[in-house]
Amino acid sequence: ETGVTQTPRHLVMGMTNKKSLKCEQHLGHNAMYWYKQSAKKPLELMFVYNFKEQTENNSVPSRFSPECPNSSHLFLHLHTLQPEDSALYLCASSQDRWGTSDTQYFGPGTRLTVL
Amino acid sequence: RKEVEQDPGPFNVPEGATVAFNCTYSNSASQSFFWYRQDCRKEPKLLMSVYSSGNEDGRFTAQLNRASQYISLLIRDSKLSDSATYLCAVNGPGDTGRRALTFGSGTRLQVQP
Repeated sequence: ETGVTQTPRHLVMGMTNKKSLKCEQHLGHNAMYWYKQSAKKPLELMFVYNFKEQTENNSVPSRFSPECPNSSHLFLHLHTLQPEDSALYLCASSQDRWGTSDTQYFGPGTRLTVL
Repeated sequence: RKEVEQDPGPFNVPEGATVAFNCTYSNSASQSFFWYRQDCRKEPKLLMSVYSSGNEDGRFTAQLNRASQYISLLIRDSKLSDSATYLCAVNGPGDTGRRALTFGSGTRLQVQP
């Protein structure tokens, strides 16, 4: 399935590094999401973009910086992360934020390890 | 009370068994409900949407009980391949309110031979 793709699939970084996660959706959707999934915890919504505009920031620390240049692409820029930020980062998309279809489709995720 | 709550399990059942999970939600104005399946170290994949009238897809049946604010998933004739974590997801209320999905922590199912 290639509806939502994410790169890289695995990332190991030091606390002083700067890296970016990329998400691309090929479903013609207008809403995109970043989630964090830590071990044995539920999915935590981080950011929501609808028609390229950020509509939700769920109290995420500023060391995570999202960017949405168009409805098909979503980035998560990372800098000065902490070891507790190690998790699976999932991107998802849906038809749109306010529409009748809230069904979200997920990418395969980026497994991030912060040393 | 958590917004969306699930029994983490694990539910250990033999092949061929019928198993049911419930998921309770706190927001009575929620409008959309889903069941996702997540395999170990993989992304969640949509299993089925949950409609007011209930819906069935093969061996899987989903029900919504608005009065008691829970959704359920019934799996009949369990297969080994059904072993996974099942996440329920519920959206927020209204047109301008929060409509991003809130996920439960998942119920782990292990089907044994």
